[in-house]
Amino acid sequence: QQQVKQSPQSLIVQKGGISIINCAYENTAFDYFPWYQQFPGKGPALLIAIRPDVSEKKEGRFTISFNKSAKQFSLHIMDSQPGDSATYFCAAIPNNNAGNMLTFGGGTRLMVKP
Amino acid sequence: NAGVMQNPRHLVRRRGQEARLRCSPMKGHSHVYWYRQLPEEGLKFMVYLQKENIIDESGMPKERFSAEFPKEGPSILRIQQVVRGDSAAYFCASSPRPGVPEAFFGQGTRLTVV
Repeated sequence: QQQVKQSPQSLIVQKGGISIINCAYENTAFDYFPWYQQFPGKGPALLIAIRPDVSEKKEGRFTISFNKSAKQFSLHIMDSQPGDSATYFCAAIPNNNAGNMLTFGGGTRLMVKP
Repeated sequence: NAGVMQNPRHLVRRRGQEARLRCSPMKGHSHVYWYRQLPEEGLKFMVYLQKENIIDESGMPKERFSAEFPKEGPSILRIQQVVRGDSAAYFCASSPRPGVPEAFFGQGTRLTVV
């Protein structure tokens, strides 16, 4: 059972454009939602994260929008640059104090064209 | 402060051999997580360990896979009698304690079974 669904699988954006990646979750016990960026041959790196008590979080060119009632969240990359070309994963962690096991979405391969 | 260290980076094994993957967490981190990433897929949780204890192994295949995190030394993920379907990237992540949701990933071990 895929608990976090991510779309699109791949995305091509022109330099300077906005990249938007969407995720939806099913488990209402999730209460922490990080995004990870992964370059080829590297491990995932934490990019930005949000808790459901806020609807938006912005860090530089990266913004997470969160819709708790719809159980959806999205990553917006403003002024996308070729260096942003990578695979992006949304993830979720439940509030059960049993550990921080991440449930990942399937990933979005972003290509930013110069 | 070194990050999460995984070795080897690449491992080739023939079918039926054993694979041993090592993970040294970040300094001060006593919680280790192993994830598997199949080609073109997202990461899937395998096992969560603290020093000398397996906390959650709900993502581990029932046979051939085992993990440990001894009092001294790195965490080890062991795969016995490898099969072609075990070919994947295996990532280790560490965190200082369960209440801190940010997990830091190593660069992974890419296992190829021939």
